[in-house]
Parts: sequence; C-alpha cells; structure tokens
Amino acid sequence: AQKVTQAQTEISVVEKEDVTLDCVYETRDTTYYLFWYKQPPSGELVFLIRRNSFDEQNEISGRYSWNFQKSTSSFNFTITASQVVDSAVYFCAGDDYKLSFGAGTTVTVRA
Amino acid sequence: ETGVTQTPRHLVMGMTNKKSLKCEQHLGHNAMYWYKQSAKKPLELMFVYNFKEQTENNSVPSRFSPECPNSSHLFLHLHTLQPEDSALYLCASSQDGTGGPSNTQYFGPGTRLTVL
Repeated sequence: AQKVTQAQTEISVVEKEDVTLDCVYETRDTTYYLFWYKQPPSGELVFLIRRNSFDEQNEISGRYSWNFQKSTSSFNFTITASQVVDSAVYFCAGDDYKLSFGAGTTVTVRA
Repeated sequence: ETGVTQTPRHLVMGMTNKKSLKCEQHLGHNAMYWYKQSAKKPLELMFVYNFKEQTENNSVPSRFSPECPNSSHLFLHLHTLQPEDSALYLCASSQDGTGGPSNTQYFGPGTRLTVL
C-alpha cells in the first residue's frame, strides 16, 4: 500500500517570504511518479509538476522549485518570494499503480 | 473550450431530487475519473473509466450512478442523496488509466453540491 504524508496542515507567510511544503511518499515499488497540484479558492486542481522515481534532479520553474530525495522518500516544494496569488491548497500525490493524494497543505500569503 | 469542463458549477438539491453532473474533456484522453472532496477530508476517488469501461468503483453508494457514453463525456447521476453527500465533486481525465507518465490527471473546476 502506498501512503502520501503532508505533515503541514496550514502555513501562513507574509508576501515575499519563501515557503517550503513537505511531502513524504511511502511505497514498496521502486518505480513510481510524484506530483504536486495547486487548488486555488476557485476549486480546480491545477497540475504543477510530475517527477519519476529515477530522476532526482531538482527542478525549477519560475518561483517554484522541487527537491526529490529518494533516500528519504521526500518530494518537497518551495515557493520563492511568495505572492498573494500563491494562496491555495497544495496537494502532493504519488502513483505507483494508482494515484493517491496527500491531505493537502493550506498556504496563506498575506500582503 | 479547452481542458476539462464541468457543469453545473453549483447545485442545490433536496434529498428527493434527481440531478446529473456533467464532465467533458477536450484533451483527447481515454480515462476519466470522479472524485469527492468534502471539507476537512482527503480527496476520495469514486469511479474510474478507461476507454468507456468502468474499471474502479470505490464502494460508492448506489445513489451515485456514473455513466460514460464516450471517452470525452462523463456523467454522475444523483438520486435520493443525503446531506452528508454535500461536497465538491471533481472530474479528471488522463491519457489512459494506467500508472506512469500517461496517467497525469487533469482536473475540471468541480461542481459544488449542497444537499438540503
């Protein structure tokens, strides 16, 4: 059985601060895929990134960056210089044969 | 239209009503999904269709009845619902229903359902 753990329930920061969201994925499989989704107040889950278990290179996309460490089963997500528009619920998900979502982390960015 | 669309966006119904939720994907995908998202609960996968065939039903009560007439459309028929069924219902699609890169799911905006 697979398990996705997002230990942080809520994070509140002031604009321009960096935010790091933690995710731990547990599975017996050696081949799997990890995802991050963003859910703004409008409700739609927006796909942000997909990584496979064999690729441990960090990835950066604008103000977003992701750090995957297979040894610790962690796939952390950092928002640099946060903005109010980053306020949302962020979900980590893992897929070995079936997609499973974490409970989500609510990020509030205050102006 | 692009991506995944859902109608209606909001729905209020009584416990004796019958209504349907509609989902349409414009991505050329072959798999479609229904999820339920209740307040303070994780996303719950309800149904999976792959090439129009139902491949997963996660012990969903029979008052929820899915229909997938083709790979682009997915319906969720609702009847005699309970107040605890009030939630955000999300539809998603992916290239196919297998694990791996082709299984990246893309979501619609959801239908906010309130059962009185």
